[in-house]
Amino acid sequence: AQSVAQPEDQVNVAEGNPLTVKCTYSVSGNPYLFWYVQYPNRGLQFLLKYITGDNLVKGSYGFEAEFNKSQTSFHLKKPSALVSDSALYFCALSYNTDKLIFGTGTRLQVFP
Amino acid sequence: GAVVSQHPSWVICKSGTSVKIECRSLDFQATTMFWYRQFPKQSLMLMATSNEGSKATYEQGVEKDKFLINHASLTLSTLTVTSAHPEDSSFYICSARDSYTFPYQETQYFGPGTRLLVL
Repeated sequence: AQSVAQPEDQVNVAEGNPLTVKCTYSVSGNPYLFWYVQYPNRGLQFLLKYITGDNLVKGSYGFEAEFNKSQTSFHLKKPSALVSDSALYFCALSYNTDKLIFGTGTRLQVFP
Repeated sequence: GAVVSQHPSWVICKSGTSVKIECRSLDFQATTMFWYRQFPKQSLMLMATSNEGSKATYEQGVEKDKFLINHASLTLSTLTVTSAHPEDSSFYICSARDSYTFPYQETQYFGPGTRLLVL
């Protein structure tokens, strides 16, 4: 069965420092992978996706993620965090289906 | 592009009443829309997949008679919570995929959500 794991419930980082939000997945083939961000009382906003091709994917708001097949990971990164990046981040995958399988979410807190 | 709207954004109702939530894709057509439920501090739980012109496909454990889904057009899906009870209080989120524009077909775009409180 396919699954997504976000091992950290919360990530704290100082403004201006690089940030990483971790995501690992389990699937027998090649998945489509996504990152979404959710602000309080709002729906999810699409950040970026990996379908095929270059393992480094660049997305919205300066975020990027690297697909690592050998480690089955798709970590979200940003070189310099902003306080406004504080939100809930979800990693998700789809595989041979319309459905998205979500991780449990990681709350990012950026301190000034 | 790829904007999905939901209406209402929040609703309070009495126990036993029915509530309808609308999900619209504003600038693209979506043969498939999805309805999710999110509990506080938890991830999204897929409730059902809504297919234009046909019956919705419900996930295991979701009562189809309680959560009625209608996908009457390529831009509109509705979720009706029938005979709502306090345990139905939750944050309901819809999403839609652009059915025709490559490369957007692989991406679900989410609405802003509807918070339902049943008293």
